Amino acid sequence: KQEVTQIPAALSVPEGENLVLNCSFTDSAIYNLQWFRQDPGKGLTSLLLIQSSQREQTSGRLNASLDKSSGRSTLYIAASQPGDSATYLCAVSGSARQLTFGSGTQLTVLP
Amino acid sequence: GAGVSQSPSNKVTEKGKDVELRCDPISGHTALYWYRQRLGQGLEFLIYFQGNSAPDKSGLPSDRFSAERTGESVSTLTIQRTQQEDSAVYLCASSGGVNTEAFFGQGTRLTVV
Repeated sequence: KQEVTQIPAALSVPEGENLVLNCSFTDSAIYNLQWFRQDPGKGLTSLLLIQSSQREQTSGRLNASLDKSSGRSTLYIAASQPGDSATYLCAVSGSARQLTFGSGTQLTVLP
Repeated sequence: GAGVSQSPSNKVTEKGKDVELRCDPISGHTALYWYRQRLGQGLEFLIYFQGNSAPDKSGLPSDRFSAERTGESVSTLTIQRTQQEDSAVYLCASSGGVNTEAFFGQGTRLTVV
């Protein structure tokens, strides 16, 4: 059974810092990995999708990498802003088809 | 529509009543997922529909929970004889298929009193 772990569970940084969020998964036989953000009381917003054949994806200040063989992904956020404060979730899609989620990293960017 | 739409956005029901939650996926999306998120908790998988294939119901927590989907359109999640432990946000997502991006609705917040 696929298990997804996210470290750290919470992170607080001053505005302007670059930061890295980590995601690991136990079964490397995945189709893709997706990063989401969730604001309090809201649904999930898709940030980046990385196919299993890809090594990284970039969108604006966000860069996600994938090392499928080691079961790891990182989300790099450059020049963090208070508006980046949210919970960040990673999810993998594999043979079970369903998206398996980590428990998230709660990010606070202090002005 | 422009995104995944869920209704109602909020639902308060009395313990023991049945409730029906609705999800309208993005037009053309063949895959549809339901998740549950209890307060302060992560996302629990409930059920997955892909086209005309048999749904993956492995996440449904009890036989009080059921879901249907008409073709590749609207889905309804039904909870019978609701219990206080069913209080949560129910999230629906859709995607264009196995290897495509999933998009979530804003969720239905269910409160059982």
